[in-house]
Amino acid sequence: AQTVTQSQPEMSVQEAETVTLSCTYDTSESDYYLFWYKQPPSRQMILVIRQEAYKQQNATENRFSVNFQKAAKSFSLKISDSQLGDAAMYFCAYRSVIFGNEKLTFGTGTRLTIIP
Amino acid sequence: GAVVSQHPSWVICKSGTSVKIECRSLDFQATTMFWYRQFPKQSLMLMATSNEGSKATYEQGVEKDKFLINHASLTLSTLTVTSAHPEDSSFYICSARSSLETQYFGPGTRLLVL
Repeated sequence: AQTVTQSQPEMSVQEAETVTLSCTYDTSESDYYLFWYKQPPSRQMILVIRQEAYKQQNATENRFSVNFQKAAKSFSLKISDSQLGDAAMYFCAYRSVIFGNEKLTFGTGTRLTIIP
Repeated sequence: GAVVSQHPSWVICKSGTSVKIECRSLDFQATTMFWYRQFPKQSLMLMATSNEGSKATYEQGVEKDKFLINHASLTLSTLTVTSAHPEDSSFYICSARSSLETQYFGPGTRLLVL
């Protein structure tokens, strides 16, 4: 079974600065998807970014980018120019492409605080 | 991005009653929907996966007779908590997967059983 580990329960960053959230995973599969989701105080899960494992290029969405290291099974999220609205729980998630096993496996989350 | 709605957003009920939660994909068809439960300050726990027109697949430890899931159409799935008890109080979240292989989440339903 796949596992996802987020070793940083809490992180804080000064507004306008850059922060990196860590995520590692364990799998024996060669193709899969990885996601970062954000859960603000409203508790609505919001997709931040996604990465297909077969793509070597790191995904980028505006101020959000990932550092995907497939061999190391690492998938960190970098938030540039942090804004107050970025404060939330961030969950890393893995999804298999194998039919019948396509559920998301979540990490335990990292609570990000933005310091004004 | 795609929109998933969930209704009601919160519900309070008496112990022993049943509660139905609806999950709708508003602007896409979802062949697969998922139901999660989230306890305070914890991650999401998958309860079951439902495919349109098929019986739901429940995760280990989830009582299928207690948490009834119906996925009658490509845009609607329902979760019914039968004979609810205080320990069923939680935050329930549904999600739907689009054809682009990404899961979009509903806003969640807070259930409080008195």
